[in-house]
Amino acid sequence: GENVEQHPSTLSVQEGDSAVIKCTYSDSASNYFPWYKQELGKGPQLIIDIRSNVGEKKDQRIAVTLNKTAKHFSLHITETQPEDSAVYFCAASMGGGSQGNLIFGKGTKLSVKP
Amino acid sequence: NAGVTQTPKFQVLKTGQSMTLQCAQDMNHEYMSWYRQDPGMGLRLIHYSVGAGITDQGEVPNGYNVSRSTTEDFPLRLLSAAPSQTSVYFCASSYGRGREQYFGPGTRLTVT
Repeated sequence: GENVEQHPSTLSVQEGDSAVIKCTYSDSASNYFPWYKQELGKGPQLIIDIRSNVGEKKDQRIAVTLNKTAKHFSLHITETQPEDSAVYFCAASMGGGSQGNLIFGKGTKLSVKP
Repeated sequence: NAGVTQTPKFQVLKTGQSMTLQCAQDMNHEYMSWYRQDPGMGLRLIHYSVGAGITDQGEVPNGYNVSRSTTEDFPLRLLSAAPSQTSVYFCASSYGRGREQYFGPGTRLTVT
């Protein structure tokens, strides 16, 4: 079945450094790729998303890149701050009969050390 | 707007008991979904609905039932709880499939 692989599972960086999280997906019909941030004890919150007709999207310190040929997309966080510490999930939309439903990666726990 | 609300926040059940997890949204979203989150497993789709009166199965539907009688509410029923259903459950809603999903705060369920 459809699958989304996410790496790394944990990531520790110094405040001010950049962080990169990578995901690969299997369904060539996927066309929507959101990233969610989950703080402890809370529900996931969308931080940025990208559609298949765009190769890159930026929002202040956060950017997402998409390579449809290679079926992978990445989250880039620059100038990391302690409040960026959280679990981050990538997701990809499914095609076929489940079109639009999301498959999530297993998450990356990001720790930003002051 | 309250967004997506879930009740209860915590629940402990004994094996074999039944219960309903409540989910409501006030954003007039057509699409609603239930996920379970287990350590190291990410979020897995249980059931979803594309509108009132329409529901369908997701990736892990066994042991769960849903209904969608109104646009606002999407309850999840556990018919006979099992320890394997110990998890954190999240409800989410959006204007449609493939659109931004808004998540509720979650229900932490323990089945003993």
